[in-house]
Amino acid sequence: IAGITQAPTSQILAAGRRMTLRCTQDMRHNAMYWYRQDLGLGLRLIHYSNTAGTTGKGEVPDGYSVSRANTDDFPLTLASAVPSQTSVYFCASSDRATGGNEQFFGPGTRLTVL
Amino acid sequence: GQNIDQPTEMTATEGAIVQINCTYQTSGFNGLFWYQQHAGEAPTFLSYNVLDGLEEKGRFSSFLSRSKGYSYLLLKELQMKDSASYLCATKDSNYQLIWGAGTKLIIKP
Repeated sequence: IAGITQAPTSQILAAGRRMTLRCTQDMRHNAMYWYRQDLGLGLRLIHYSNTAGTTGKGEVPDGYSVSRANTDDFPLTLASAVPSQTSVYFCASSDRATGGNEQFFGPGTRLTVL
Repeated sequence: GQNIDQPTEMTATEGAIVQINCTYQTSGFNGLFWYQQHAGEAPTFLSYNVLDGLEEKGRFSSFLSRSKGYSYLLLKELQMKDSASYLCATKDSNYQLIWGAGTKLIIKP
């Protein structure tokens, strides 16, 4: 089934630990995105990639890093987790960044940093 | 700066019509999107407007006025399953989406 998957579904993490959230899409989309969603706030873009091999910083990139070695995968790494990174993380993809191409979202990862 | 405003919460009755407004101020404009998000789930695409006017898609319609920085989502013949949050987002000059905080729509029988 075509779509976008994320792993893990949820995670409780001790502060200071390193964590990688995985995201894979099988739609051959060029563009991929990482968002965080916090209560009362809109989705906020962390990092994005318009095509394999390129990445860019979004609105809230500090404390996060990404890589885009191939079209399908776009992992998000927290080098040293802090409690303020407790959030729901959504990965999304779209055929292209430009135009009216809709973004398809993964099911999300609920991360708690203690 | 960049800002998108939409009401925090609205309540409507099953079978009725509801209009959810969104006003925006962004650096550059490359279209406006509406998404639906049920509690605990991922957002799903509803509509895209880049030109002024009304786009109709079944029970849902979306309107855009670029000169006023204004959009609305119109939901007709409301059903209980329409209870969800509705997210307004604009695509800025870098082709990235800027999101509003969402409007939680509560449908009552």
